[in-house]
Amino acid sequence: DTAVSQTPKYLVTQMGNDKSIKCEQNLGHDTMYWYKQDSKKFLKIMFSYNNKELIINETVPNRFSPKSPDKAHLNLHINSLELGDSAVYFCASSPTPDSGNTIYFGEGSWLTVV
Amino acid sequence: TQLLEQSPQFLSIQEGENLTVYCNSSSVFSSLQWYRQEPGEGPVLLVTVVTGGEVKKLKRLTFQFGDARKDSSLHITAAQPGDTGLYLCAGLGGSYIPTFGRGTSLIVHP
Repeated sequence: DTAVSQTPKYLVTQMGNDKSIKCEQNLGHDTMYWYKQDSKKFLKIMFSYNNKELIINETVPNRFSPKSPDKAHLNLHINSLELGDSAVYFCASSPTPDSGNTIYFGEGSWLTVV
Repeated sequence: TQLLEQSPQFLSIQEGENLTVYCNSSSVFSSLQWYRQEPGEGPVLLVTVVTGGEVKKLKRLTFQFGDARKDSSLHITAAQPGDTGLYLCAGLGGSYIPTFGRGTSLIVHP
């Protein structure tokens, strides 16, 4: 069974549309994340949730709204998509962070905005 | 924001060669991690180093954390085509949430 699963894997959409990416983890972890990886492979934290509560929001435009209905799910909704939003979005999870924090990543969702 | 610089950015070598990848920062980290990412997949954790000067080995891979906990290196001995991938270092500060470097893309030719 996949530990961190995200859907869809590929998404092509037009500018101005609203889209969502879903994420679920079956590892029993308390913390979930969204990372964005750009075309140059730079992986940057967007959000972090611990037990459904937002703990990090790294100056992401408010067009991006994460929602955590329970601690096993962290969905990402994006409004009014822009060309610059094209990237690979990774969901991840970990136990409560400490110095040995092991992050488990999903396989990524490839978003292309045209 | 704590910045991590990785070098080299790209590396293309022949099977059997040795290589070293460097990860440097002006910031002190609680710990430092190395991940490998293969095409079409998410990063996978290889190792976490916590103590300044610590050395960890994973088969042909040797990881070292700098004494001041600001930098790290990854050395691969006798590289194989299966080592091909993107190697990412990540520093963990007070929040223990990894901040990633820009990665080193390694290609090992048979």
